Amino acid sequence: DIVMTQSPDSLAVSLGERATINCRSSQSLFYSNNNKNHLAWYQQKPGQPPKLLIYWSSTRESGVPDRFSGGGSETDFTLTISGLQAEDVAVYFCHQYYTTPWTFGQGTKVEIK
Amino acid sequence: QVLVVESGGGVVQPGTSLRLSCGTSGFTFSGFGMHWVRQTPGKGLEWVAGISYDGSQKRYLDSVKGRLTISRDNSKSTVYLEMNSLRAEDTAVYYCAKGYDAGGNWHVDSWGRGTLVTVST
Repeated sequence: DIVMTQSPDSLAVSLGERATINCRSSQSLFYSNNNKNHLAWYQQKPGQPPKLLIYWSSTRESGVPDRFSGGGSETDFTLTISGLQAEDVAVYFCHQYYTTPWTFGQGTKVEIK
Repeated sequence: QVLVVESGGGVVQPGTSLRLSCGTSGFTFSGFGMHWVRQTPGKGLEWVAGISYDGSQKRYLDSVKGRLTISRDNSKSTVYLEMNSLRAEDTAVYYCAKGYDAGGNWHVDSWGRGTLVTVST
């Protein structure tokens, strides 16, 4: 199974500042057939289901604010929140859909400093 | 607006069975793969099973193969998870999720609010 490891487990950022979350996979998520990295990012707030933010490692889902951006390739990926807002307090998960069983990172909790 | 609503969770004893249902609306159900993903405080998010748009392809997490079965009824826009021989480690919130593509090969883009399954004596 592909292991997804996020860092840090939690971080506290001041309002308006940048938050960066890292995600590493145990094998490459780049699929040469479609030239895409099979990596998504989800946001989960307490008592709610996960919400899709980013897919194909860097494509923002419709309706997601442009302060959220995804980057990276193969085994190393990042989610950046540029200008943290109060409503961004949540747990963020990376997720590989390169192969089954699909797997998720353990989550990174983002709080306001 | 895509809507995904799970039902059927509850408290059951080990070794017994349960069937989860997932009703949907707001999209052409027969054109998309569907998945079940579960979540626990200890193990986090865990993909359980996925099914293609026509039900011809099904994939499972190894630990549930032979015990959990995913199926769908396109005439009812509903996907099911039949759970047999339940174990304590199956205790979780079970989410139903819509796939991005017909085959169910790519990420999920909409999730239900989940239904809690508790396996306990």
